[in-house]
Amino acid sequence: DIQLTQSPSTLSASVGDRVTITCRASQGVDTWLAWYQRKPGRAPNLLLYGVSSLKIGVPSRFSGSGSGTEFTLTISSLQSDDFATYYCQQYYRPPWTFGQGTTVEIK
Amino acid sequence: QVQLVESGGGVVQPGRSLRLSCTASGFIFSYNGMHWVRLAPGKGLEWVTLISHDGSKEYYADSVKGRFTVSRDNSKNTLYLQMNSLRPDDTAFYYCVKDGGSYFFDSWGQGTLVTVSS
Repeated sequence: DIQLTQSPSTLSASVGDRVTITCRASQGVDTWLAWYQRKPGRAPNLLLYGVSSLKIGVPSRFSGSGSGTEFTLTISSLQSDDFATYYCQQYYRPPWTFGQGTTVEIK
Repeated sequence: QVQLVESGGGVVQPGRSLRLSCTASGFIFSYNGMHWVRLAPGKGLEWVTLISHDGSKEYYADSVKGRFTVSRDNSKNTLYLQMNSLRPDDTAFYYCVKDGGSYFFDSWGQGTLVTVSS
């Protein structure tokens, strides 16, 4: 199985900060990588797929980059609505796997 | 807009069975593969199973293979998950998820909680 490791596990930040989350794959996944946001008590929500393609309706402050084994999710200017847990997911090969999650907390 | 509504969760004893349902609307159900993904308390997301748009292909995580069976009824826009021989580590929120076309998870239901406990 392809393992995904996210860093950091927890991140403390303030509104307006630029935030970057890293996802590393145990083997290459080309650009078959997606990012999700999950708020407490709610279902996850797709943010980006194909590394950098924004789902319709997702704010443009979210962006993604990378290929192969290293990927990043960037929030250009953190908003209060963005405090949540973020997961990467590879869909290069089944079983489709997720990173362990990065929680963005209020500093 | 896409709506996915799960039902059937609850508390069940180890070794027993449970069937989850997911009713879909807002898109052409028969055109899309559908997944179940779970989130256990204090743990991360785990993909459970995928069924192809026409039900002809099924894929399972090793952790549930041989115990869980996914199915669908395209005439009723409904996805099912039959869970047998349930174990305490199957305790989780189970989400019905629409495939995005390439095996990413496009739209999620609100989830239904399955608790396996004696």
